[in-house]
Amino acid sequence: EAQVTQNPRYLITVTGKKLTVTCSQNMNHEYMSWYRQDPGLGLRQIYYSMNVEVTDKGDVPEGYKVSRKEKRNFPLILESPSPNQTSLYFCASSPSSGPLTDTQYFGPGTRLTVL
Amino acid sequence: AQKITQTQPGMFVQEKEAVTLDCTYDTSDQSYGLFWYKQPSSGEMIFLIYQGSYDEQNATEGRYSLNFQKARKSANLVISASQLGDSAMYFCAMSPQYSGGGADGLTFGKGTHLIIQP
Repeated sequence: EAQVTQNPRYLITVTGKKLTVTCSQNMNHEYMSWYRQDPGLGLRQIYYSMNVEVTDKGDVPEGYKVSRKEKRNFPLILESPSPNQTSLYFCASSPSSGPLTDTQYFGPGTRLTVL
Repeated sequence: AQKITQTQPGMFVQEKEAVTLDCTYDTSDQSYGLFWYKQPSSGEMIFLIYQGSYDEQNATEGRYSLNFQKARKSANLVISASQLGDSAMYFCAMSPQYSGGGADGLTFGKGTHLIIQP
């Protein structure tokens, strides 16, 4: 089954404790992206990757890191999480390196709480 | 910069009625894509429908249609014969023109919470 998977689905952590949210897609998509969703703000892009070893900042990159060592994986790293990073996080992928006409397929979401 | 505006934070609609969810957008790009996503209470984002800026016909997908009025910069979602399972958050989004120098992904509106009443 074609899908985007994220782990963990739920995470409660404390300020400053490094964490990684994994994202994997099995559709051989070039483009991958991370979004965060906050009440009243919709979804905002954190980082995106157009292909292996190519990543760039989205609208809200502060406090986050990403890597794209393999085509299928795009982990999101919070080196020192803070309470303002409490949010619902989505990973997404699309077939080509430009999203103009391609639907982005979303993972199930990771609900993160930073205490 | 692109911007999406959804002016209806919430809507209550009677089952079986048609629903129109409003979306207006702002962009300086000549070529762009418009999307609608559904987010049920379980949280996942479900793609509903896509409209390209150069598509002359309005997109349709089953009970969903997109009323695209380019001159007015609007891309309203129409759900015909609403069902209880349509209750969810609905997000309008747009994608920028791909220039080769970067791809900024989707810009989302703040969403409309649709509740279908029996």
